[in-house]
Amino acid sequence: DTQLTQSPSSLSASVGDTVTITCRASQGVDNYLAWYQQKPGRVPRLLIYAASALQSGVPSRFSGRGFGTEFTLTISGLQPEDVATYYCQKYKRAPLTFGGGTKVEI
Amino acid sequence: QVQLVESGGGVVQPGRSLRLSCTVSGFTFSNYAIHWVRQAPGKGLEWVAVIWYDGTNKFYADSVLGRFTISRDNSNNTLYLQMDSLRVEDTAVYYCARAGGWSGYDFGDHWGQGTLLIVSS
Repeated sequence: DTQLTQSPSSLSASVGDTVTITCRASQGVDNYLAWYQQKPGRVPRLLIYAASALQSGVPSRFSGRGFGTEFTLTISGLQPEDVATYYCQKYKRAPLTFGGGTKVEI
Repeated sequence: QVQLVESGGGVVQPGRSLRLSCTVSGFTFSNYAIHWVRQAPGKGLEWVAVIWYDGTNKFYADSVLGRFTISRDNSNNTLYLQMDSLRVEDTAVYYCARAGGWSGYDFGDHWGQGTLLIVSS
């Protein structure tokens, strides 16, 4: 099975900073990679699908890149409301594994 | 608007069974695959199972294979998760999530609020 490794596991940044989270797959998943945001006590929310496509309603400061085994989620201009844990998920085939998560703090 | 509402959680003893339900509205249920995803207290997301739009294909995480069964009733807009031989480590909030399309090889674009299952003696 394909494993997803996120790094870092946590980070602290300032408002306005650019933050980048990495997700590495143990085997290639083409662009079948999604990113989710989960704020404390809330339900996960889809941010990015197909590695780089922005879900409707998601602010443009969020962007995704990558193909195959290495992917990134970038927040350009971190806002207080971006405090959350971010997860990647691969969906090329079952099992549809999640990464371990990256906790973003300000 | 798209809504998914889970129910059926509670406290159950190890080894017992329980069935979760996910009732949907706001979209044509029979056109979409649906996932179950769980989250143990203080832990990350764990994908559990998925069922194709018509129920023809189902896949499971290794951790629940042989113990959990996903099913759906398209006439009643309801998804189920039958959980047998429950273990303490199955304790989690269980979410249902709509896939992006008919195939289960897809992300979850809308999520329910979750239902809490506690497995404890």
